[in-house]
Amino acid sequence: SAVISQKPSRDICQRGTSLTIQCQVDSQVTMMFWYRQQPGQSLTLIATANQGSEATYESGFVIDKFPISRPNLTFSTLTVSNMSPEDSSIYLCSVEDRENYGYTFGSGTRLTVV
Amino acid sequence: AQSVTQLDSQVPVFEEAPVELRCNYSSSVSVYLFWYVQYPNQGLQLLLKYLSGSTLVESINGFEAEFNKSQTSFHLRKPSVHISDTAEYFCAVSEPGGYQKVTFGTGTKLQVIP
Repeated sequence: SAVISQKPSRDICQRGTSLTIQCQVDSQVTMMFWYRQQPGQSLTLIATANQGSEATYESGFVIDKFPISRPNLTFSTLTVSNMSPEDSSIYLCSVEDRENYGYTFGSGTRLTVV
Repeated sequence: AQSVTQLDSQVPVFEEAPVELRCNYSSSVSVYLFWYVQYPNQGLQLLLKYLSGSTLVESINGFEAEFNKSQTSFHLRKPSVHISDTAEYFCAVSEPGGYQKVTFGTGTKLQVIP
């Protein structure tokens, strides 16, 4: 199955700034998924990123707040823009694991906004 | 729409005792079911999955889960837990096929007590 390198692993950011999270996959994948895991809660899908087209956002998430880039089949970035303390969460990227019919996740980015 | 319910947010259990982590789902269509494990400060790892066929599925580290369609459940069990099993466990559901959205439960923290 694919191996995902995600960075940064954690960051503490000032209110009003932006943070870009990167995910690098060791193989080509069609779709990448971005999730948010708020403290004490489950994972919520933010958007699906398909190479060569605009990302598809879930209800409650918008491109202006969470712009996503997908320049090629092995890389994607998620930016958390104009951050507020409510954005403090773990952000994870994921790809489909076609060998095992599941999904592989990056190790996550633990974001704290102060 | 699909949903997953994990009723127990935390489950403390003594080492070498059995454990059951409960998961119920709702869906209007057939489903794939997953259990993921998240060790402290790590990303999610696929523990086991049900796609079709035998309703009892097993992982390589002694966990098993049984798909019960009539009760819409997919409970996770282990006959004897180890300290190393301390982690958070997420139940998840998706529609069959590739690139389907995965819906996660809120997670159950398993605390193994020496």
